[in-house]
Amino acid sequence: DGGITQSPKYLFRKEGQNVTLSCEQNLNHDAMYWYRQDPGQGLRLIYYSQIVNDFQKGDIAEGYSVSREKKESFPLTVTSAQKNPTAFYLCATKALAGAAHGELFFGEGSRLTVL
Amino acid sequence: AQSVTQLDSQVPVFEEAPVELRCNYSSSVSVYLFWYVQYPNQGLQLLLKYLSGSTLVKGINGFEAEFNKSQTSFHLRKPSVHISDTAEYFCAVSQDSGGGADGLTFGKGTHLIIQP
Repeated sequence: DGGITQSPKYLFRKEGQNVTLSCEQNLNHDAMYWYRQDPGQGLRLIYYSQIVNDFQKGDIAEGYSVSREKKESFPLTVTSAQKNPTAFYLCATKALAGAAHGELFFGEGSRLTVL
Repeated sequence: AQSVTQLDSQVPVFEEAPVELRCNYSSSVSVYLFWYVQYPNQGLQLLLKYLSGSTLVKGINGFEAEFNKSQTSFHLRKPSVHISDTAEYFCAVSQDSGGGADGLTFGKGTHLIIQP
């Protein structure tokens, strides 16, 4: 089935540890995004990438890093520099041409809890 | 810069009653508007979108929304809600119809609570 796979679904980490969230897609979409969701705050953009080996910071990039070595994959690393990393993280994709005008497609999310 | 305001953080409604979830946006250029639904611990699913043409847009699950340019609004409506409509609803805006990589700007969400 075509879609976006995020893993792990739930993740616990100790303070001071880096953690990497995986996002894989087989929709053949060019653009990929990471959003952070906190209760009552909506979704805020962390990073996005339009093509392989290129990515741009979003509104809240501090304490995060990404890579885009393959079109299908856009992993997010939450570093120890992120002061409040406990949140729900959502990966999304967008086709830059074709019928799905401007629509973002979302994965099921990863919930990170810092102990 | 663009922004989205969802005026109600929570809307309780009795089952089979009508509902309207309000969304206002601000932008100095033409925009494209979206409504998404999120069930607990899941990703977001597109309900409907407005890109151009008719201002009344019909979506999945019996929802519809009307684009009002003069009032900069895109309110979501359903004539009769069901228990299964209990979820978080997000309004989102983009200045890009699809050719660019800019993401969407989201409102803070409205929690729709259906009471039996």
